[in-house]
Amino acid sequence: SQKIEQNSEALNIQEGKTATLTCNYTNYSPAYLQWYRQDPGRGPVFLLLIRENEKEKRKERLKVTFDTTLKQSLFHITASQPADSATYLCALLGFQGAQKLVFGQGTRLTINP
Amino acid sequence: GAGVSQTPSNKVTEKGKYVELRCDPISGHTALYWYRQSLGQGPEFLIYFQGTGAADDSGLPNDRFFAVRPEGSVSTLKIQRTERGDSAVYLCASSPTGTSYNEQFFGPGTRLTVL
Repeated sequence: SQKIEQNSEALNIQEGKTATLTCNYTNYSPAYLQWYRQDPGRGPVFLLLIRENEKEKRKERLKVTFDTTLKQSLFHITASQPADSATYLCALLGFQGAQKLVFGQGTRLTINP
Repeated sequence: GAGVSQTPSNKVTEKGKYVELRCDPISGHTALYWYRQSLGQGPEFLIYFQGTGAADDSGLPNDRFFAVRPEGSVSTLKIQRTERGDSAVYLCASSPTGTSYNEQFFGPGTRLTVL
């Protein structure tokens, strides 16, 4: 069956360091991969999308990589700040018009001042 | 502009009762999605509408769950004979079209508690 795993439930990082989150998937061939941020009591907020034929995508302090051979995406936040503390979700979309997002369980990131 | 809104924000009901959860998508968005999120988990897909029609309802867990979008804007998720296992946050999202790469805009969710 299809499975998506994010590297850990919780990650604690010192302010200013780079946070790296991992998303692995099996039995799945997504055309697109998205990363979302979710704060407590709120819905997810879109951050970045990367296509299957793209290796890397950047947006300000965020960087996403997508390795379809390893079936893995890495999400990096450079120069991390306490305001970056949140749960980060990876989500996959399939081929041929499949519209539903399939989410990982999320990683709760805490940036310590 | 206004984002996706969901009402009520919280709903407490008793086992066996019927509930309706409402979603108001962003104006002009043709695609609408329902997800369910349990504590410590990512959202789980339930159903996707393109306009008025349900294009994919493969995530509805059983026939107690039903959703409608009669005029292609507001949607209602209906749950009959609620069970304690239905307790979760129900999230609604919309996107401008049904194009695969569109980001989805999520509402704040309705927290459903079945006693």
